[in-house]
Amino acid sequence: DAGVIQSPRHEVTEMGQEVTLRCKPISGHDYLFWYRQTMMRGLELLIYFNNNVPIDDSGMPEDRFSAKMPNASFSTLKIQPSEPRDSAVYFCASSFLGGNEQFFGPGTRLTVL
Amino acid sequence: GDSVTQMEGPVTLSEEAFLTINCTYTATGYPSLFWYVQYPGEGLQLLLKATKADDKGSNKGFEATYRKETTSFHLEKGSVQVSDSAVYFCALSINQFYFGTGTSLTVIP
Repeated sequence: DAGVIQSPRHEVTEMGQEVTLRCKPISGHDYLFWYRQTMMRGLELLIYFNNNVPIDDSGMPEDRFSAKMPNASFSTLKIQPSEPRDSAVYFCASSFLGGNEQFFGPGTRLTVL
Repeated sequence: GDSVTQMEGPVTLSEEAFLTINCTYTATGYPSLFWYVQYPGEGLQLLLKATKADDKGSNKGFEATYRKETTSFHLEKGSVQVSDSAVYFCALSINQFYFGTGTSLTVIP
């Protein structure tokens, strides 16, 4: 298996623009997680899905952030409009069952100017 | 609530030194415990895990023992290498995953 795939690997955009991050989980996994990592705040769980349904989005910082999982093999995290403080590395992870090992993607490094 | 607390970093060691990174947990019930490692520019990857009390997880020379009596899961390695330089995360799983804040390790030749 190719592992968790994220795209793009790097994104540079200007404040106010819409940003869409993409994730393909490992086939057969039923949980998908979106995390954000910064030096100041460390690793933060933003939202997670079970069988394509959002279960807990309490970590989503504000309404500018939204996430979808239209099918078992694809998820997006959208920021609209983006702000400089959104600059971070965003990770997607997937697992089979909620408490099992999570497999992380390589991350998307987002820079908002 | 459920959580993990791990040793603050950064940690700097000379090659071949002994490593300990402390991790303690709080949980209602019987969690599984994990150590993840994040190399520069990469995502987190599982280093080792233990699923019940007294289990020892081991991988790449690293070890950690699940101690229920002290609610701990300390990471150890007898002789670190430059290639071990990374950030190490302790985590617990009990219906949901909880990650620690991470400990940065730098090994100098």
